[in-house]
Amino acid sequence: QTVVTQEPSLTVSPGGTVTLTCASSTGAVTSAYYPNWFQQKPGQAPRALIYSTGNKHSWTPARFSGSLLGGRAALTLSGVQPEDEAEYYCLLYNGGSSNWVFGGGTKLTVL
Amino acid sequence: EVQLVESGGGLVQPGRSLRLSCAASGFTFDDYAMYWVRQAPGGGLQWVSGISWNSGNIIYADSVKGRFTISRDNARNSLSLQMNSLRAEDTAFYYCVKGSAAGTHYGMDVWGQGTTVTVSS
Repeated sequence: QTVVTQEPSLTVSPGGTVTLTCASSTGAVTSAYYPNWFQQKPGQAPRALIYSTGNKHSWTPARFSGSLLGGRAALTLSGVQPEDEAEYYCLLYNGGSSNWVFGGGTKLTVL
Repeated sequence: EVQLVESGGGLVQPGRSLRLSCAASGFTFDDYAMYWVRQAPGGGLQWVSGISWNSGNIIYADSVKGRFTISRDNARNSLSLQMNSLRAEDTAFYYCVKGSAAGTHYGMDVWGQGTTVTVSS
């Protein structure tokens, strides 16, 4: 059973930069895991931000970017806005077992 | 505008069945994979199942394999999830999610608003 691990919580100041990471118990995350990132605010459905490591959707703000960093998938927010306060989930594909696994989520506080 | 509208949720006793549906509009339905994702009350997201554009590839989480069946009707732009032998731990908000591509290994983009499933006696 693959376990995907994210930082439980992070705090960032408005205008600052923060990087959220996503690790897999199966080893280093590569592009073959097709990392996806989602944002969820209280009472709302999740919203997709990033697919296949670093590709943005048409609605994804420019301040969000995805990458691979030190064997993990990473989501970087540059110039954080107050409205970025939310829960962020990563999603990884396990090709060996043909399934998807979400991370436990990172609660991002903008303070 | 892409829209996904789930229906069929409700209160069901353990061991019984329930069928969720998702009506899709605003995009070429048979060009994309589709997924179900659930979220327990106060919990995180859990991927449940996925189906490729032509139903040729179907995948399930281990926790629902053998109990849940995903299907799609491209002529009706609809996705379904037949849930049998329901357990208390299946209690969650269930989301219908559009895939980012035709296959089941590229990820997801647009989410529906979800439907609640409560399994309790």
